[in-house]
Amino acid sequence: EPEVTQTPSHQVTQMGQEVILRCVPISNHLYFYWYRQILGQKVEFLVSFYNNEISEKSEIFDDQFSVERPDGSNFTLKIRSTKLEDSAMYFCASSNPGGRRAEQYFGPGTRLTVT
Amino acid sequence: AQSVTQPDIHITVSEGASLELRCNYSYGATPYLFWYVQSPGQGLQLLLKYFSGDTLVQGIKGFEAEFKRSQSSFNLRKPSVHWSDAAEYFCAVGAENNDMRFGAGTRLTVKP
Repeated sequence: EPEVTQTPSHQVTQMGQEVILRCVPISNHLYFYWYRQILGQKVEFLVSFYNNEISEKSEIFDDQFSVERPDGSNFTLKIRSTKLEDSAMYFCASSNPGGRRAEQYFGPGTRLTVT
Repeated sequence: AQSVTQPDIHITVSEGASLELRCNYSYGATPYLFWYVQSPGQGLQLLLKYFSGDTLVQGIKGFEAEFKRSQSSFNLRKPSVHWSDAAEYFCAVGAENNDMRFGAGTRLTVKP
């Protein structure tokens, strides 16, 4: 069964450093998403991506964040200068089709720890 | 604004007992509702979804959920819980801007 994969599973970085979280969505999906879950809190939407551009983004997704689909398979989330409060589990998801009815398939997550 | 509330942070049930996890939503239009399960160290797995039609929906692993518009609820049920059901359960609503709004989650503990 096709699945979304994410690497690395755990990333430790120092405050102020740049990190790139990587995701490989399901191959025939066209809509991609990033979510984060701060420890003990709810899963929060960050951004959705379709047709090589951002469709929607939340207030959390400020100028420190960017997303990219550098090739036909990867979908990345970059945090330019990490802060302590960026420590969270980051989930990638993909779907086909998109929109409110979309069943989103989630990856296992990357745990980001900022020290 | 769209929102999802899961009133119970933590529920403990005995193995073999029935289970109901509560979910209330706030959404102006027809809601598209989902239940996801998250096992420790794992991603989110879809249990079931409601778009329209029959208000009682069946999902995987023996779960079902009932949509009640009058109560703005989408409660998850299972008649007999297994130890492997211990996990975090999230209710979510598909929102206008292609995102998904999640509740805070309910952690289920299963006693032997």
